Amino acid sequence: AQKITQTQPGMFVQEKEAVTLDCTYDTSDQSYGLFWYKQPSSGEMIFLIYQGSYDEQNATEGRYSLNFQKARKSANLVISASQLGDSAMYFCALSTDSWGKLQFGAGTQVVVTP
Amino acid sequence: EAQVTQNPRYLITVTGKKLTVTCSQNMNHEYMSWYRQDPGLGLRQIYYSMNVEVTDKGDVPEGYKVSRKEKRNFPLILESPSPNQTSLYFCASSLKTGRYTEAFFGQGTRLTVV
Repeated sequence: AQKITQTQPGMFVQEKEAVTLDCTYDTSDQSYGLFWYKQPSSGEMIFLIYQGSYDEQNATEGRYSLNFQKARKSANLVISASQLGDSAMYFCALSTDSWGKLQFGAGTQVVVTP
Repeated sequence: EAQVTQNPRYLITVTGKKLTVTCSQNMNHEYMSWYRQDPGLGLRQIYYSMNVEVTDKGDVPEGYKVSRKEKRNFPLILESPSPNQTSLYFCASSLKTGRYTEAFFGQGTRLTVV
């Protein structure tokens, strides 16, 4: 069975600083994808970034980058230059099928302070 | 605008009173699914559907029913709700792009069963 672990329930970060959110996963599949979603207090799920297991380079999307270490089965999200609007719950998710089923971690609550 | 629409957004009901949460997508996606979100557990899949009249259980199906009579609609039915079904529910539909399958989430339905 697949499993996603996010060990940081919550964290504070100062505005303009970088923050790293940890995510480790466990799967026996060779082909899989890792996703990060942002959930602001309004509740919607916002897709941030994707990393495929066969991707040779770490994914980047604007201020978001993914530190993918396949041998260690970790896919940490790095948010650079944090903004107040980055305050939200962040979820790491694993997909091992082509249909889009996602296995989610418990989430990390990020609070950005001025 | 491409979207997944859930209704209602908020619902308070009493134990045992049947309810339906509707979900509709306008993107012609084949795959749709329902998740529930609980603190400390992330999102867990309840049911999914690969196409019209094709549905199957996800990870936490007990107490729920679904149907897929039309491609665009995927309602979630609670025949006899109980307090442990108090949760935030998300409907999602998925599209396979060239690299990965992206899930599009509805706005969420916050259900309270008293």
